[in-house]
Amino acid sequence: SQTIHQWPATLVQPVGSPLSLECTVEGTSNPNLYWYRQAAGRGLQLLFYSIGIDQISSEVPQNLSASRPQDRQFILSSKKLLLSDSGFYLCAWSGYRGQETQYFGPGTRLLVL
Amino acid sequence: AQSVTQPDIHITVSEGASLELRCNYSYGATPYLFWYVQSPGQGLQLLLKYFSGDTLVQGIKGFEAEFKRSQSSFNLRKPSVHWSDAAEYFCAVAGAGNMLTFGGGTRLMVKP
Repeated sequence: SQTIHQWPATLVQPVGSPLSLECTVEGTSNPNLYWYRQAAGRGLQLLFYSIGIDQISSEVPQNLSASRPQDRQFILSSKKLLLSDSGFYLCAWSGYRGQETQYFGPGTRLLVL
Repeated sequence: AQSVTQPDIHITVSEGASLELRCNYSYGATPYLFWYVQSPGQGLQLLLKYFSGDTLVQGIKGFEAEFKRSQSSFNLRKPSVHWSDAAEYFCAVAGAGNMLTFGGGTRLMVKP
């Protein structure tokens, strides 16, 4: 069966520091991958999605970036964190054949101080 | 562009009572609709989904939802709520490219 992992689970970083969050999927090939952010008291916002290695689309312009160096690995990065980057970051995967269900990872809680 | 509205931000029900969480969507084509549940500090778990066919769909944990095209709704129901159902519930619609648009969520509290 398929599983999705995210790490770290929790992260506290100072403003201006770099960021790297990792997401990996097991048990499937060529998944579509997604990064969402959930700010406190707000819904989910799609940040990036990827249909393949090195194929990344950004939904919202910001100081975050994403990379997909391997088929089942999706990384969210920032060179300099802002206070507004605090939130709960969720990675999700789906199959690649058209409309398919997205399955979510456990999330990473990021607090920028 | 598609949108999802969950009119109720907070709902409190007594344990054993019935539950209905409302979801209204806006989408030009046939919608693919989902309900997810999120416990505090956790990821989202899929409760159920509607792609086509029978408009009453059954999900996990005793939940069901009914797709009503005429009302653009996909309300979630459970006949008898358990204390463990306390969580936040998200309705979502899948648009072009399998992009999900989520509602703002409904936080469910269960009174003993």
